Amino acid sequence: AQSVTQPDIHITVSEGASLELRCNYSYGATPYLFWYVQSPGQGLQLLLKYFSGDTLVQGIKGFEAEFKRSQSSFNLRKPSVHWSDAAEYFCAVDEAAGNKLTFGGGTRVLVKP
Amino acid sequence: DTGVSQDPRHKITKRGQNVTFRCDPISEHNRLYWYRQTLGQGPEFLTYFQNEAQLEKSRLLSDRFSAERPKGSFSTLEIQRTEQGDSAMYLCASSRGETGELFFGEGSRLTVL
Repeated sequence: AQSVTQPDIHITVSEGASLELRCNYSYGATPYLFWYVQSPGQGLQLLLKYFSGDTLVQGIKGFEAEFKRSQSSFNLRKPSVHWSDAAEYFCAVDEAAGNKLTFGGGTRVLVKP
Repeated sequence: DTGVSQDPRHKITKRGQNVTFRCDPISEHNRLYWYRQTLGQGPEFLTYFQNEAQLEKSRLLSDRFSAERPKGSFSTLEIQRTEQGDSAMYLCASSRGETGELFFGEGSRLTVL
């Protein structure tokens, strides 16, 4: 069975600093890969997705992610975080493009002023 | 706002009672999904519909759970004889087709006392 691991439960970062969130998946083939953000009181919002092609994917809110097949990773990055980026971030995979996503446990990001 | 809406947002019930949640998807979306999210975890897939047909149910969905989408529009998720382990956030999402972006509602939080 496929699984998604987000090794960092919490990350604290200073406003203006860079951010990288790790995601590893366990699956034989390359699944479809997603990053979602969940802010308090709001629904999950898609940040970006990878289906195929260029392994560096640009998303909304200045986020990008890089797919590395050799490492089974899909890490999320942002060069300079804003206080509004404080939220919980979830990596997800979909093995068959049916939107039946398997989510990681999430990483909660705290932004220090 | 024409996003995915869920009702009620929060339900507190006593063990053994039945509860029903409603989801109104984005109107032109033919696919509707239910996910469950417990505290500190990522969402877990429960079931999904294409139009009015329920195409898949996760093994997480015990016999006490039933979901319907009678006219291919809104959906209901009923939990019978609730147990404390059912306490969670129940998320609804919709998409246009199987590869369309998933749009999530804000969720219905269930607390079973």
